[in-house]
Amino acid sequence: KAGVTQTPRYLIKTRGQQVTLSCSPISGHRSVSWYQQTPGQGLQFLFEYFSETQRNKGNFPGRFSGRQFSNSRSEMNVSTLELGDSALYLCASSLATSGRGKNIQYFGAGTRLSVL
Amino acid sequence: AQSVAQPEDQVKVAEGNPLTVKCTYSVSGNPYLFWYVQYPNRGLQFLLKYITGDNLVKGSYGFEAEFNKSQTSFHLKKPSALVSDSALYFCAVRDAGGYNKLIFGAGTRLAVHP
Repeated sequence: KAGVTQTPRYLIKTRGQQVTLSCSPISGHRSVSWYQQTPGQGLQFLFEYFSETQRNKGNFPGRFSGRQFSNSRSEMNVSTLELGDSALYLCASSLATSGRGKNIQYFGAGTRLSVL
Repeated sequence: AQSVAQPEDQVKVAEGNPLTVKCTYSVSGNPYLFWYVQYPNRGLQFLLKYITGDNLVKGSYGFEAEFNKSQTSFHLKKPSALVSDSALYFCAVRDAGGYNKLIFGAGTRLAVHP
């Protein structure tokens, strides 16, 4: 079974531009979460989608947005890029979302975004 | 608020020796705890989880973790380290708000030398 696929793997943008990152979850997985990884802040939760609905959101500005499609694929968008947005963006998928939190999240290799 | 602490930035061990990577947590309610490993230019790989049950959890690649409720710890262990275990290790706790949000520790870099 194929793992979580993130595209592209690398991106270089300039300040003020916008960017869209894509994530294809493991087949059958309906929950997709996004995380930002930076040397200074570590791993931080951005948001989670399940059945095309945002179920949870981290503490990031409104420039960060996402969506999920009917086939569970997800995209995240960052508008008006800032230098501080340079990071590794990781997508994770799991079978379902539930209050009991037993689901294991499987991560993709990430998209490394560099903002110049 | 939920939080996870990994008190060591780096752990160095010799190949063949046992290794321990430390993690302590602070949660309200029952903790759901996870260990992940990250190799260079890779995403996170799931190693093991604790939900309920036995305090000793066995995971992938010979790793195990010991859950200690009184000490609020969840240390990762391996009886005999390999050079290939050298990587960045993250402890995480599921957020009490439900769903799948994970709160990660800062990570511990494990270096296994021959």
